[in-house]
Amino acid sequence: EAQLVESGGGLVQPGGSLRVSCAASGFTFSSYWMSWVRQAPGKGLEWVANIKPDGSEKYFVDSVKGRFTISRDNAKNSLCLQMNSLRVEDTAVYYCARGVKYGSGSYNVFQDFWGQGTLVTVSS
Amino acid sequence: EIVLTQSPGTLSLSPGERATLSCRASQSFSSNYLAWYQQKPGQAPRLLIYGASSRATGIPDRFSGSGSGTDFTLTISRLEPEDFAVYYCQQYGTLLTFGGGTKVEIK
Repeated sequence: EAQLVESGGGLVQPGGSLRVSCAASGFTFSSYWMSWVRQAPGKGLEWVANIKPDGSEKYFVDSVKGRFTISRDNAKNSLCLQMNSLRVEDTAVYYCARGVKYGSGSYNVFQDFWGQGTLVTVSS
Repeated sequence: EIVLTQSPGTLSLSPGERATLSCRASQSFSSNYLAWYQQKPGQAPRLLIYGASSRATGIPDRFSGSGSGTDFTLTISRLEPEDFAVYYCQQYGTLLTFGGGTKVEIK
């Protein structure tokens, strides 16, 4: 059975950094695109980033470009999101999600399985 | 960026009734790149539909998706108690975006 478990969330001051991680099990991690999607308290979903199975391609929403990086370790079945220069508006539950490539374009990936999320709070 | 507008914001229905949820895009895109998700309070989203009309694994056939161009619809033929939740549409044709959600609540 597929499982995604996020960790690393917490309280951080504006301008600070935080690294959230996702441990995958129950499927062949190295064969799948992976995504981070966030949800601010009481709000809707916002896609944050995608990474190709081999890590060679990475895509980000404009609001986090230059501040967030996504990486994966296929040997350890793990996914990470490094968040720098955090802003109050980055406060959200961050979900790790498995991606399915469905088309030839760079963004043609939907999310077929999600972890339970980890809360990141940016506040002074 | 493609903006997705979902309507209505809230749908109040009784178990057994039919639910029709709308998702309208700011510009046309291929129906291959439209998905629907269900989210219950305190839970992660669950994929229902991808490619506008293909049901994900394990999704009951009372859920169906349709549409093309800029107008897409999620239909729940007969609401079960576990279907009361928030539903999001998503486009993944270019720079993934989600709609604002439709809450289906018990009347």
